[in-house]
Amino acid sequence: AQTVTQSQPEMSVQEAETVTLSCTYDTSESNYYLFWYKQPPSRQMILVIRQEAYKQQNATENRFSVNFQKAAKSFSLKISDSQLGDTAMYFCAFMQPGGKLIFGQGTELSVKP
Amino acid sequence: GAGVSQTPSNKVTEKGKYVELRCDPISGHTALYWYRQSLGQGPEFLIYFQGTGAADDSGLPNDRFFAVRPEGSVSTLKIQRTERGDSAVYLCASRPGGSITGELFFGEGSRLTVL
Repeated sequence: AQTVTQSQPEMSVQEAETVTLSCTYDTSESNYYLFWYKQPPSRQMILVIRQEAYKQQNATENRFSVNFQKAAKSFSLKISDSQLGDTAMYFCAFMQPGGKLIFGQGTELSVKP
Repeated sequence: GAGVSQTPSNKVTEKGKYVELRCDPISGHTALYWYRQSLGQGPEFLIYFQGTGAADDSGLPNDRFFAVRPEGSVSTLKIQRTERGDSAVYLCASRPGGSITGELFFGEGSRLTVL
């Protein structure tokens, strides 16, 4: 069975600084997707960034980038130039094509002014 | 609206009562998912529909939980004989059936409180 582990329950960063959230996963599959979702207090999950496992190039979306290490089954999220609006729960998630999305336990990120 | 809609937003009920939670997915999305999120935890998979049929219901915790999607659009999650441990936020998500990106689009959830 696939599992997703986020080992940092809480993180904090100063505004404008850079922070990295860690995620590891376990699977025997070779084709899959990885995601980072953000959940603000409004409860709605918002997609931050996604990575297809067959792509070696790390995904980037503006201030958000990932470090995808397929052999190590690691998928960390880097947030550059942190903003107050980045304060939220962040969830790493794994999905096989056509399958279910499996979430990690989450990391609560606080951006301090 | 254009997003996933869930009703009610909040539901308070008494132990032993029956509850229905509704999800209206994005128009045209054939895949629909239900998740349960307890306080401070990540969402836990319950069930996944492809069209009208349940493609994977391995996450339903017991036979008190049941979900339907009779016309392949709106889905209802039904909980019988509610227990205090059922208190959680129930999230619904949808995606296009032929999506190659895998992205799920989530609603804002229904917060269930069982007294």
